[in-house]
Amino acid sequence: GAVVSQHPSRVICKSGTSVKIECRSLDFQATTMFWYRQFPKQSLMLMATSNEGSKATYEQGVEKDKFLINHASLTLSTLTVTSAHPEDSSFYICSASRQAVGTDTQYFGPGTRLTVL
Amino acid sequence: DAKTTQPPSMDCAEGRAANLPCNHSTISGNEYVYWYRQIHSQGPQYIIHGLKNNETNEMASLIITEDRKSSTLILPHATLRDTAVYYCIVRAGGYQKVTFGTGTKLQVIP
Repeated sequence: GAVVSQHPSRVICKSGTSVKIECRSLDFQATTMFWYRQFPKQSLMLMATSNEGSKATYEQGVEKDKFLINHASLTLSTLTVTSAHPEDSSFYICSASRQAVGTDTQYFGPGTRLTVL
Repeated sequence: DAKTTQPPSMDCAEGRAANLPCNHSTISGNEYVYWYRQIHSQGPQYIIHGLKNNETNEMASLIITEDRKSSTLILPHATLRDTAVYYCIVRAGGYQKVTFGTGTKLQVIP
């Protein structure tokens, strides 16, 4: 159990276009999902927290108008990179929180490699 | 979230136990210790978590000191597929965010 998927796994796009990444919890419902990005040889950096049915909470320095997050159901959150530029090229990873005994545990998707030309 | 300190890298011989330490001296009473690992170009994989008791599952064991200021993740019989970056994270429950440090790069050697 506790499987999180992402689609697509890899995407190449032209500068100025928008790209949508989907994150799904396959076998559990997740009221809270998180979006991270990771640049080469660096650790994961949290971008935003996504709660079902409400607006996402963005970390400092993350442009909310550029990285649109929608969490329309308990199993799906989407991240749209609008007007992508080469500096947005990165590894984008989502996670979904699943309730466990006494606490919750985050399970991560396999990631989406975005390359902007 | 409390900060954690991990060695940047470790080697382990295949078949031997890998013991990965983590210091979290400022951990609060309601914070759990979580371990994840990230194999190259993949999303992080959940390994184990605990509050104050030692925990064991099919992947690893987690040993937390009595004062909770440090912990050790034990992979009992390391294989080449265990080569990854291991992250020790402390966080409160309640759907709080996970903050990743730099982790320990474990290299399992044949």
